[in-house]
Amino acid sequence: DVKVTQSSRYLVKRTGEKVFLECVQDMDHENMFWYRQDPGLGLRLIYFSYDVKMKEKGDIPEGYSVSREKKERFSLILESASTNQTSMYLCASSRPGTGVNGYTFGSGTRLTVV
Amino acid sequence: GDSVTQMEGPVTLSEEAFLTINCTYTATGYPSLFWYVQYPGEGLQLLLKATKADDKGSNKGFEATYRKETTSFHLEKGSVQVSDSAVYFCALSGNSNYQLIWGAGTKLIIKP
Repeated sequence: DVKVTQSSRYLVKRTGEKVFLECVQDMDHENMFWYRQDPGLGLRLIYFSYDVKMKEKGDIPEGYSVSREKKERFSLILESASTNQTSMYLCASSRPGTGVNGYTFGSGTRLTVV
Repeated sequence: GDSVTQMEGPVTLSEEAFLTINCTYTATGYPSLFWYVQYPGEGLQLLLKATKADDKGSNKGFEATYRKETTSFHLEKGSVQVSDSAVYFCALSGNSNYQLIWGAGTKLIIKP
């Protein structure tokens, strides 16, 4: 069964900590995405990557960075966690030609910053 | 730019009721259209899709027809179950080769 795996389902971090959220896919997909989901705000794109070492800012990149050193792994980094980054984080991947195939999502990481 | 508009929720129905969740879109070109479902505490799963006008996507008793004349892709199910309680997202493939454009999501609550 093909998968997108996010390393943690639940995470609690302290304000100011550097936080790494990991996402791994086993489908050899070129495109990978990080979203955050908040009540009433829907899905908001943070960053995406269409190839190894390539990254593009989404709608809300401030306070985040990403790393894609290998095709299967896409990491989201919170350089200095703040309470307003408490959210559900969703990773997704897709082949080129998203119009035909859509995305495959991971199960999500619920991050709480205290 | 491209956009997706979904009916606001929550939508509350009794078990075995008929379901419609409205989705309309604005897009240039010929997008593909998708419905995703998110069960509580989970990520999103692809429910169904349609890639051209008049196509009907279907899965698990849900259906949606790609209507270009009304720019709509409404989700329907003839008889809902408590297990259908979830958040439903409509999406379209934009001009980018990478991104989907998302609706805000509609929460569905089914009462026994």
